[in-house]
Amino acid sequence: TQLLEQSPQFLSIQEGENLTVYCNSSSVFSSLQWYRQEPGEGPVLLVTVVTGGEVKKLKRLTFQFGDARKDSSLHITAAQPGDTGLYLCAGGGGSNYKLTFGKGTLLTVNP
Amino acid sequence: DAGVIQSPRHEVTEMGQEVTLRCKPISGHNSLFWYRQTMMRGLELLIYFNNNVPIDDSGMPEDRFSAKMPKASFSTLKIQPSEPRDSAVYFCASSLWSGDGYTFGSGTRLTVV
Repeated sequence: TQLLEQSPQFLSIQEGENLTVYCNSSSVFSSLQWYRQEPGEGPVLLVTVVTGGEVKKLKRLTFQFGDARKDSSLHITAAQPGDTGLYLCAGGGGSNYKLTFGKGTLLTVNP
Repeated sequence: DAGVIQSPRHEVTEMGQEVTLRCKPISGHNSLFWYRQTMMRGLELLIYFNNNVPIDDSGMPEDRFSAKMPKASFSTLKIQPSEPRDSAVYFCASSLWSGDGYTFGSGTRLTVV
C-alpha cells in the first residue's frame, strides 16, 4: 500500500508570512497532485507534477516534485486569509490512475 | 458544466436503515470514484469505475456497502444496514482516464444515530 505522509498536520500563521508544507512517501509515484479543500466543499485541484525535479508556480504558490518522485513540497509566499484550507497531496501510479491521498495540512492564515 | 453533483448534501438516519447516496459526474468523464473522509483516516478510496465498469472495490469496507453505475451519467453508493461508524463525508469524483486531476462533488455528510 502506498502511503503519503503530510507535515505539518496543522499550521496557523499571520497574513504576510511564508510557509512550506511537505508530502513524503517511501513509494515512487508517476504523478503527484495538490488539492485545496475548504469547509463544506470537496477538494479542488491546484496542480499536477509528473517529472522528477519539476517546479510549477501558481501565483504565490510554488510546487516542487522531488527528484526521485517520492516527495513534494508546497511553498506559499505572503500568505493571505483566502489561502486558509486543507491542503492535500495525492499520488498516482501505474496505468490504473488510482490516487492515494495524504491526510492533509490544515492551514489557517489569520488577518 | 455544473460540475460533479451529489445528493443529498446531508443525511441523518437511524442505525439499521438503508442509505443511498447519489452522484452525477461531469459529462464526458469516463472515470468515477467514491471516497469517504473522516478526521481520523482522511480520504479513503472506496471504489472506482471506468466506463461504468467497477475496476477496484477493495476499499469497500464490508458487504453492507455496494455501488452501482448503471449509466455514464449516474452512480449510487448504498449502505444497508447503516451503522454509527459509517458516519463520515462521502465524496464522488470524476475524471478522464488520461490522468487529469479529479473533480470532486461537494460531498454528502452522513450521520448515523
